Amino acid sequence: DIQMTQSPSSLSASVGDRVTITCRASQGIRNDLGWYQQKPGKAPKRLIYSASSLQSGVPSRFSGSGSGTEFTLTISSLQPEDFATYYCLQHNTYPCTFGQGTKLDIK
Amino acid sequence: EVQLVESGGGLVQPGGSLRLSCAASGFTFSSFWMTWVRQAPGKELEWVANIKQDGGEKYYVDSVKGRFTISRDNAENSLYLQMDSLRAEDTAIYYCATGATAAKWGQGTLVTVSS
Repeated sequence: DIQMTQSPSSLSASVGDRVTITCRASQGIRNDLGWYQQKPGKAPKRLIYSASSLQSGVPSRFSGSGSGTEFTLTISSLQPEDFATYYCLQHNTYPCTFGQGTKLDIK
Repeated sequence: EVQLVESGGGLVQPGGSLRLSCAASGFTFSSFWMTWVRQAPGKELEWVANIKQDGGEKYYVDSVKGRFTISRDNAENSLYLQMDSLRAEDTAIYYCATGATAAKWGQGTLVTVSS
């Protein structure tokens, strides 16, 4: 199975900060990766697909980049509603696999 | 607007069975792969299975192979997950999602496996 390693596992930041989360794949997955945001008690919501395409309706402060084995999710200026847990998902090879998550909380 | 509503969760004893359903609306169900994802309490997301538009291809995570069966009824716009030989480690919220890439998600249904 392809292992997806997310870093950091947790992160404290302030409103207005620029934040970057990384996912590394144990083997190349082209750009077959999505990023998801999950708030407590809620279903995940996809933010980014195909590594760098912004899901319709998602604010432009979210962006994704990368290809192959290394991917990043960047939030350019944190807003109060962005404090949540973020996951990556590779769908290049079955079984699809998620990263272990990055919990973003308020400093 | 895409809507996915899961049902069928509940408390079941180890070794028992449950059938989860996912009712879809707001999109052409028969044109999309569909996916099940689960999340154990306080844990990360785990991809479980998915199924092609016509049901002709199905894929599973190793931990559920031979115990879980994904299926769909395009006439009823419904996705299913038959779960047999349930174990304590199957306790989780189960979500259905659209597409092979899990674009849109339902709110989930809780499955608890305990004696």
